[in-house]
Amino acid sequence: DIQMTQSPSSVSASVGDRVTITCRASQGISSWLAWYQQKPGKAPKLLIYAVSSLQSGVPLRFSGSGSGTEFTLTISSLQPEDFATYYCQQANSFPYTFGQGTKLEIK
Amino acid sequence: QVQLVQSGAEVKKPGSSVKVSCKASGDTFINYPMSWVRQAPGQGLEWMGRIIPLREKPNYAQKFQGRVTISADRSTSTAFMELSSLRSEDTAIYYCAYITGSTIDYWGQGTLVTVSS
Repeated sequence: DIQMTQSPSSVSASVGDRVTITCRASQGISSWLAWYQQKPGKAPKLLIYAVSSLQSGVPLRFSGSGSGTEFTLTISSLQPEDFATYYCQQANSFPYTFGQGTKLEIK
Repeated sequence: QVQLVQSGAEVKKPGSSVKVSCKASGDTFINYPMSWVRQAPGQGLEWMGRIIPLREKPNYAQKFQGRVTISADRSTSTAFMELSSLRSEDTAIYYCAYITGSTIDYWGQGTLVTVSS
């Protein structure tokens, strides 16, 4: 199985801050990397697919980059509604696997 | 607009089985892969398996092989996930979701399955 390792596991930040979350795959996953946002009691919401493609309706402050085994999600200027848990996920091979999550908290 | 509507919460005894349904709206059902993902309380997301209804042959995560059965009824646009030999560690919210690696990505509202004696 491909292991997806996110860092950090949690981060405290303020409105307006720039935040970067990293995801490392245990082997190459081509461009099959997605980022999800999840708020308490809600289903995950797709933010980024294919490493850097922004899902329709997602604000431009979200961006993704990377290749091979190292990927990042960047939020350029945090807004109050961005405080949530973020997951990376690979769909290169079965079983699809998720990172353990990064909880973004208000400082 | 695609909608995935799941069946209601379940409470099950250890050793029993649970079957969760997921009804899809729209004409995407047959061609898109339907995954099942679970989330234990306070934990992360875990992919269990998927099925493409048109092809019917499911793929399962090794962890659940032998205990999970994913199926689809094309006539009602409904997917099912059955998990057997339930144990307390299976207590979780179970989601159905179109996960395609593309912009096509839709999730059901989740079904809470509680395993308790």
